[in-house]
Amino acid sequence: AQTVTQSQPEMSVQEAETVTLSCTYDTSENNYYLFWYKQPPSRQMILVIRQEAYKQQNATENRFSVNFQKAAKSFSLKISDSQLGDTAMYFCAFIPPRDDKIIFGKGTRLHILP
Amino acid sequence: SQTIHQWPATLVQPVGSPLSLECTVEGTSNPNLYWYRQAAGRGLQLLFYSVGIGQISSEVPQNLSASRPQDRQFILSSKKLLLSDSGFYLCAWSKGATEAFFGQGTRLTVV
Repeated sequence: AQTVTQSQPEMSVQEAETVTLSCTYDTSENNYYLFWYKQPPSRQMILVIRQEAYKQQNATENRFSVNFQKAAKSFSLKISDSQLGDTAMYFCAFIPPRDDKIIFGKGTRLHILP
Repeated sequence: SQTIHQWPATLVQPVGSPLSLECTVEGTSNPNLYWYRQAAGRGLQLLFYSVGIGQISSEVPQNLSASRPQDRQFILSSKKLLLSDSGFYLCAWSKGATEAFFGQGTRLTVV
């Protein structure tokens, strides 16, 4: 079965610090996309960053970057210079190319403390 | 550009009443469509997904049903709501396994 695991249910860091959220997944596919979504208190799902599995270069979007380790099936999200507005639930997700489902991890609730 | 509309944003319904939540997508054709439910502070539970008109796959047997009467329309329904149906419902679409887009969600409270 194809799964996504987020092992950190909740994390807290001080503003301006760097934080890393972990995600591992399981698939037998070779080409696929991985995602991190942010869900703030408004509950709107916002795409933070996307990684194509066939690209070795780690994706970056401003303060957000990933550490993609394909062999280890690991896809962690690093938030640099964290801001109060980063407080949210973060979901790691994966869309298997030959499946029709979006598979989510259970989420990590991140608190940025002033 | 692609957009997804989901309504209503908030709904309070009595136990035993019917439910209809609607989701429409613009700017694409033949998308995969999804309904998720999220309990407070919890993860996303996939309820239904559809790969085409009239094609519905159910992930969790429950008091809800889904329909796709048109290519870009996805409806979540119930004939008689239960208290346990309360939650936050999200509609989403994807195409080509490259990205997923989400509606703004419906907060349903069954009283």
